[in-house]
Formats: sequence, C-alpha cells, structure tokens
Amino acid sequence: DARVTQTPRHKVTEMGQEVTMRCQPILGHNTVFWYRQTMMQGLELLAYFRNRAPLDDSGMPKDRFSAEMPDATLATLKIQPSEPRDSAVYFCASGTGSSYEQYFGPGTRLTVT
Amino acid sequence: AQTVTQSQPEMSVQEAETVTLSCTYDTSESDYYLFWYKQPPSRQMILVIRQEAYKQQNATENRFSVNFQKAAKSFSLKISDSQLGDAAMYFCAYRRRNTPLVFGKGTRLSVIA
Repeated sequence: DARVTQTPRHKVTEMGQEVTMRCQPILGHNTVFWYRQTMMQGLELLAYFRNRAPLDDSGMPKDRFSAEMPDATLATLKIQPSEPRDSAVYFCASGTGSSYEQYFGPGTRLTVT
Repeated sequence: AQTVTQSQPEMSVQEAETVTLSCTYDTSESDYYLFWYKQPPSRQMILVIRQEAYKQQNATENRFSVNFQKAAKSFSLKISDSQLGDAAMYFCAYRRRNTPLVFGKGTRLSVIA
C-alpha cells in the first residue's frame, strides 16, 4: 500500500530554532507539493516540485523558508529561524503529471513557542 | 487567480439523513478538476469524490454524490444516509492538470446521533 510519509509527525520547538520537515513521496511520483494549514488561512500552497525542480515557491516566506528535493525519494522543508506564527500543520503531497490526484501525507504538526 | 468558496463554515445533520455542502469556484479555464476532501480529527486528507469538468455526468461514490453546475461554477456535495463517521471537515478543491490544488476554507460537518 503505497503512501506518502512525513517526519516528524509532531514537532515542538522554541522561537529562533531551525526546523526541518521531511517527506518521502510515493515511488514513481514526479511531483511533490508542500501545503500549510492554519486556522486563519486554511490550506495554502507553499511550494511544489516536478522532477525535483522547483516550479513555484511563491507561497513561502523567502527569508526563512527553504524547500529542496535532494533526490527523487526525499523532499525537505526548512524553517530558519522559526517563529510562533509558523505554528501550523504542514502537508506534503505527491502525484504524477498525468494524474489528477494528489496523495497526501499525514502531516507534520509544528508548534513554535 | 482561481478561487474556491465554501459559504457554510459549519453544518449539522441527523444520523441517517441527507446533507448538502456548498461550493462555488471562479476560473476562466475550461479544463479542470474539482474535488471534495474529508479531514477527520486525525488530520489525514482523504479524497471523497472527484469531478472532471469535461464530464457532464455528476460523479457518485457510494453515499456521496455531487451536483456539478459548470455554467454556474457550482460544485455541491451530497451525503446520503449520514453516519457518525462522516463527521469531519470537508474541503472543496480545484486544480488544473499538473498544478497545485486550490482549497476552500472548509465546512465542519457534525453528525447528530
């Protein structure tokens, strides 16, 4: 049963610390999306990649967020330095260019105190 | 830019009854996909049903069906024979092929025993 995995599932950190979230897309999927869910903003796109190349990262605060795909099996989202307003659930999703569907990971709940 | 609007922040339904969740969207595109996702307390995003814009026939999945009105840009979800397990947040979403999802703000559905 192929699924998207995300680590960690929960993260509590202090303001100013670096946070790294990881995502393993489904094998064979060439498109990876990062979404953030907050009470105020709902679900919003942060960035997405196709064939490991970034296509759109306009949803990310550039000064503190960075997203990469070191290889086809790993996507990372880093926040440095973290702030309390970054507290949210971060979802990774993967898909293929020919499919309509995106498969979501379980999310990482981030709390910045 | 495409937008998705869910005008009902909360809805409730009696167990075994039928409920309809509303969604409207704005796009100038003719080829796109529409989705309803369910998010239970576990936070997992679960695809409930999808509709391809070029298909006139409304999609159905067991107790879930949609009323797709392309000209009116309306995409409502009907849940028949509601069950306690249907209680969750429901998100309407839009995407064109190979692009990220655009989500509505969600509707919280309560099911009353």
